[in-house]
Amino acid sequence: NAGVTQTPKFRILKIGQSMTLQCTQDMNHNYMYWYRQDPGMGLKLIYYSVGAGITDKGEVPNGYNVSRSTTEDFPLRLELAAPSQTSVYFCASRTGRPSRVLQHFGDGTRLSIL
Amino acid sequence: TQLLEQSPQFLSIQEGENLTVYCNSSSVFSSLQWYRQEPGEGPVLLVTVVTGGEVKKLKRLTFQFGDARKDSSLHITAAQPGDTGLYLCAEVLRYEKLTFGTGTRLTIIP
Repeated sequence: NAGVTQTPKFRILKIGQSMTLQCTQDMNHNYMYWYRQDPGMGLKLIYYSVGAGITDKGEVPNGYNVSRSTTEDFPLRLELAAPSQTSVYFCASRTGRPSRVLQHFGDGTRLSIL
Repeated sequence: TQLLEQSPQFLSIQEGENLTVYCNSSSVFSSLQWYRQEPGEGPVLLVTVVTGGEVKKLKRLTFQFGDARKDSSLHITAAQPGDTGLYLCAEVLRYEKLTFGTGTRLTIIP
């Protein structure tokens, strides 16, 4: 059982480049989330999805886009990379049904914009 | 967005000592979670507290939720090097979205 898988684990981008951070889960979870974590800080919600075809903004959505065409995948796209987007990005998922088991986090993508 | 403040920001203590870290809010929490995060990994859920005054124990960790549901604490008894990590509190919002605190970075010295 792989849980939540994020790729790549590390990436360096130049200012103005674009890229897609991949996230996939094999637990058939309806809810998925993207967070970013700046050094020494807590996580901030970028976007979330409550099911295929449904996405909504979180606390810090500017500069990012998402899509949710399948239950399993929730990619995060950076269109014009900026130094302020240097961060560690975490994807998470959980079932939408009432459950004691809450969010499952991936191991993160470490992104540097130079 | 509610502001969650954690204190202290950094804590370094000797193995075997006790410690308490805090999570405070400007308004009432709906429910609160505590996570531990180790370098290079995602946060791992430790506990969820929902009811004001609630106390939960997880081995040497004791979690308290304030009566007014505006604060919470995590107490560790006889700290061990394996307790080292970043401790995060998070409020659980609609659709299980999380608002995280700023974190307490704990180092246990052998």
